[in-house]
Amino acid sequence: GAVVSQHPSRVICKSGTSVKIECRSLDFQATTMFWYRQFPKQSLMLMATSNEGSKATYEQGVEKDKFLINHASLTLSTLTVTSAHPEDSSFYICSARDLLDRPNTGELFFGEGSRLTVL
Amino acid sequence: DAKTTQPPSMDCAEGRAANLPCNHSTISGNEYVYWYRQIHSQGPQYIIHGLKNNETNEMASLIITEDRKSSTLILPHATLRDTAVYYCIVRPAQVYQKVTFGTGTKLQVIP
Repeated sequence: GAVVSQHPSRVICKSGTSVKIECRSLDFQATTMFWYRQFPKQSLMLMATSNEGSKATYEQGVEKDKFLINHASLTLSTLTVTSAHPEDSSFYICSARDLLDRPNTGELFFGEGSRLTVL
Repeated sequence: DAKTTQPPSMDCAEGRAANLPCNHSTISGNEYVYWYRQIHSQGPQYIIHGLKNNETNEMASLIITEDRKSSTLILPHATLRDTAVYYCIVRPAQVYQKVTFGTGTKLQVIP
């Protein structure tokens, strides 16, 4: 099946620093990728929709200057958490859908997630 | 995405069938029912989807009521590895639309 890879899987940083998380579609192309955040014992919360070659669309309440999204190619989207603080500690998950909709299921493929801990 | 309602948790004995219900009474005619699951600290995994007919694949079966207002995901022989949170989502299949998750059902498979 299609694979979405996230890197790093775990990251620990100091408060005030910025952290970049990469999301790659390994065997398919995606014009759109989605970024989610998940706090312990809670569901996934959609943060933004990443569009290749254009600005990301952010969900209400998500600070676009805090969470910078870049979708520079059909296989890579990055999420940068700027000036991270302890409350930004969370599990960040990306997802993507095959541009050609293989295997024709309308399926979204998810990365394994990146756990951010801000000290 | 249309709103879905799922029980917060369920238990199932290992080897038995796990039947996970989902209500989606406001589903539109062009919206599919999708099921995903999330094992602890991993990304969600696609299980199955359907429009109005019952569907089966190597992982599960999906039963959709005739009025399409509810559905049931069936894991025929639950194993300990099926312990996860299961999410029921309704959305159009052929449109690049965002997917929002409800609270899901935490399925605990008991030895």
